[in-house]
Amino acid sequence: AQRVTQPEKLLSVFKGAPVELKCNYSYSGSPELFWYVQYSRQRLQLLLRHISRESIKGFTADLNKGETSFHLKKPFAQEEDSAMYYCAPNTGFQKLVFGTGTRLLVSP
Amino acid sequence: DAGVTQSPTHLIKTRGQQVTLRCSPKSGHDTVSWYQQALGQGPQFIFQYYEEEERQRGNFPDRFSGHQFPNYSSELNVNALLLGDSALYLCASSLRSRGYTFGSGTRLTVV
Repeated sequence: AQRVTQPEKLLSVFKGAPVELKCNYSYSGSPELFWYVQYSRQRLQLLLRHISRESIKGFTADLNKGETSFHLKKPFAQEEDSAMYYCAPNTGFQKLVFGTGTRLLVSP
Repeated sequence: DAGVTQSPTHLIKTRGQQVTLRCSPKSGHDTVSWYQQALGQGPQFIFQYYEEEERQRGNFPDRFSGHQFPNYSSELNVNALLLGDSALYLCASSLRSRGYTFGSGTRLTVV
């Protein structure tokens, strides 16, 4: 079945620690992949697109087609990174399928 | 640019009633997608409108219908409301494959 999996509901780290939010997908073809973030009391917003290969707020994400993964990483977490993170492949015509999300909590 | 605006922000309806939610896309965007986000879950795709037609549909019953107007704004209609329809309804607009811009959502409570 086609789906996206974010295995961790909650990831709790200390400030300055490395962070990796996992995302695995099972879609045929080569979907475009996105990470969306939702900070407290704010709307969902785009964080990263895999085709842009950019780093936003220190986050990067590498698409591994062999493992069908698109993990989000940051070498040194900051308190302001605390938020809900969603992995979402574009399955065609801009139809995004969201994972269940991972809540990142960065403690001082 | 106000981005994506949704109205109303909150709504309480009784089981069996009908509801209409509205969305104005970001300026320059031509595609509107609707999502349902239940508590503790990721957004679930309801349907997408492009050029005033439903282009794609998720796994939602026919009670969920929509419309897109010539100015690209959109409505989501839900008939015969069930308690399980209580959720945050998100509208997102886009232009080609550049990622969505989301609205703040409409919180629907069915009692």
